[in-house]
Amino acid sequence: DGGITQSPKYLFRKEGQNVTLSCEQNLNHDAMYWYRQDPGQGLRLIYYSQIVNDFQKGDIAEGYSVSREKKESFPLTVTSAQKNPTAFYLCASTPGHEYSNQPQHFGDGTRLSIL
Amino acid sequence: AQSVSQHNHHVILSEAASLELGCNYSYGGTVNLFWYVQYPGQHLQLLLKYFSGDPLVKGIKGFEAEFIKSKFSFNLRKPSVQWSDTAEYFCAVNAGGFKTIFGAGTRLFVKA
Repeated sequence: DGGITQSPKYLFRKEGQNVTLSCEQNLNHDAMYWYRQDPGQGLRLIYYSQIVNDFQKGDIAEGYSVSREKKESFPLTVTSAQKNPTAFYLCASTPGHEYSNQPQHFGDGTRLSIL
Repeated sequence: AQSVSQHNHHVILSEAASLELGCNYSYGGTVNLFWYVQYPGQHLQLLLKYFSGDPLVKGIKGFEAEFIKSKFSFNLRKPSVQWSDTAEYFCAVNAGGFKTIFGAGTRLFVKA
């Protein structure tokens, strides 16, 4: 079955460490997204990518970085500059045409905690 | 700035009760509207969507939503809830382009 795979499911980070969250999709979608989900705040957009080798900052990009070297993969790095990284991170994708009316397909998420 | 407001953060209902979850958005132009659901331990999935045409849209599992343009609202309804409807529900709006704005979510708990 096609879908989005996020790994790991749970991740623990020490202060000052960078960590990378994996997101892989086999839906052949062009566009991919990273969201952060905090209780009572819904989903907030961190970064998005319309196509390979291109990505744009979302609303809360500070302290995060991404790459899009392959269509299937859109890893997110949470850097030590992110002051409050504890959250649930969701990766999503859309086919890449008529973006505004395409529902997003989501992965199962990665829960990041700071030790 | 665009925003999406969901009126209730937590709702508790008994089985067979009727459900209405409110959603209002702040954008005056053409919008695409979505309701997503996140069941416990599962990923977010689409419940229903509205792009144009009949303002009353039907989704999966007996859910429906009505788009009222004059009220900037897209409320979710179900005539009779089941225990299996226990989940978190998110309203989302896209006014064009890549950016979809999500509401804060409503946690629904249905008592058996």
